[in-house]
Amino acid sequence: KAGVTQTPRYLIKTRGQQVTLSCSPISGHRSVSWYQQTPGQGLQFLFEYFSETQRNKGNFPGRFSGRQFSNSRSEMNVSTLELGDSALYLCASSWDPRHYEQYFGPGTRLTVT
Amino acid sequence: KQEVTQIPAALSVPEGENLVLNCSFTDSAIYNLQWFRQDPGKGLTSLLLIQSSQREQTSGRLNASLDKSSGRSTLYIAASQPGDSATYLCAARQAAGNKLTFGGGTRVLVKP
Repeated sequence: KAGVTQTPRYLIKTRGQQVTLSCSPISGHRSVSWYQQTPGQGLQFLFEYFSETQRNKGNFPGRFSGRQFSNSRSEMNVSTLELGDSALYLCASSWDPRHYEQYFGPGTRLTVT
Repeated sequence: KQEVTQIPAALSVPEGENLVLNCSFTDSAIYNLQWFRQDPGKGLTSLLLIQSSQREQTSGRLNASLDKSSGRSTLYIAASQPGDSATYLCAARQAAGNKLTFGGGTRVLVKP
């Protein structure tokens, strides 16, 4: 069974640009969550989607948005990039994270210059 | 607001010694607690998931306990090996808001 996949793995953008990251969950999983990991703040929750609906959102500005498609694949978008957005963005999938494990992908390393 | 703390931030042990990793959380209203391993520059690998109704979970050399009343979880790794060197993270899924809150992690080095 294939694991969680994220594309692209590495990305370099300049300030002011926007970026879209993609996540394909494990087959059958309906929940996809996104996290940001930085050396200073650690791992922080961005948002969770379940059956195409955003079920929960972390404390991030509106520049961070996401969506989930009918096949459970998810994308997150960051507009007007800032230097502080440089981070490892991790996606996780689960049957239902309230009761089952979350499985993480390898992440997308975003560098903003 | 849930806060998850892992102390110490780093740990170095000789090969063969048992590892004890601590995790504390402030809000006991959780669905579950999950332990992860992260190798440098990589994603997270799930190690164990403990439901709020459980006291412990075991997988091979790993054993994790959960004490909701005291807000603590402990991960035990028996007979450590150099390949166990990594950062270990615990995360609590809180009932309010249904989100996963992570600790800062414990970086473990097992010396041959």
